[in-house]
Amino acid sequence: DAKTTQPPSMDCAEGRAANLPCNHSTISGNEYVYWYRQIHSQGPQYIIHGLKNNETNEMASLIITEDRKSSTLILPHATLRDTAVYYCIVRVADDYKLSFGAGTTVTVRA
Amino acid sequence: GAGVSQSPRYKVAKRGQDVALRCDPISGHVSLFWYQQALGQGPEFLTYFQNEAQLDKSGLPSDRFFAERPEGSVSTLKIQRTQQEDSAVYLCASSLGLSANQPQHFGDGTRLSIL
Repeated sequence: DAKTTQPPSMDCAEGRAANLPCNHSTISGNEYVYWYRQIHSQGPQYIIHGLKNNETNEMASLIITEDRKSSTLILPHATLRDTAVYYCIVRVADDYKLSFGAGTTVTVRA
Repeated sequence: GAGVSQSPRYKVAKRGQDVALRCDPISGHVSLFWYQQALGQGPEFLTYFQNEAQLDKSGLPSDRFFAERPEGSVSTLKIQRTQQEDSAVYLCASSLGLSANQPQHFGDGTRLSIL
């Protein structure tokens, strides 16, 4: 299984873009990159996923490098409510079990 | 609501008691998953259903844990003769199918405390 590496913590300024990095150097061609976040006392919330191309939805943008060995989740205008643990997960094509690592604890400060 | 619903949100039980945790998946989602999340850790897979069939229970920690989904919608996770190490948040997730291109959507979990 491909594994991911994320910084343990990050601080972001309210109103600014938050760029969350993730390394997945052993990713295979048919494996998706998924991002979830978990706000305190809530379940993991799906944010976005992608295979090769960059993706954007109403929550965030996902930028995947051409070699697919790393990606960046971008929250365009961070708010205090974006404070959470963010998990980058590589999803093996034929495996439905999500493997959550330690994630990045993101704190948005006013 | 359109999301995954779990009940109760909090459950306190004495060691040795049996507990039952309920999950209402998103309507139309055929795949249902249970995860366990210990304090300060990420969720860990417990079991998986496709409609009413339990196709994978490899993550269940012991034979005291039992899950069912008899009509292919609501699921119940039952823990018999609870022990203190069972204290955790139990999360349910559902998805349209098993494709890696279909995200799993989680409920807010049941926080179980065993005294």
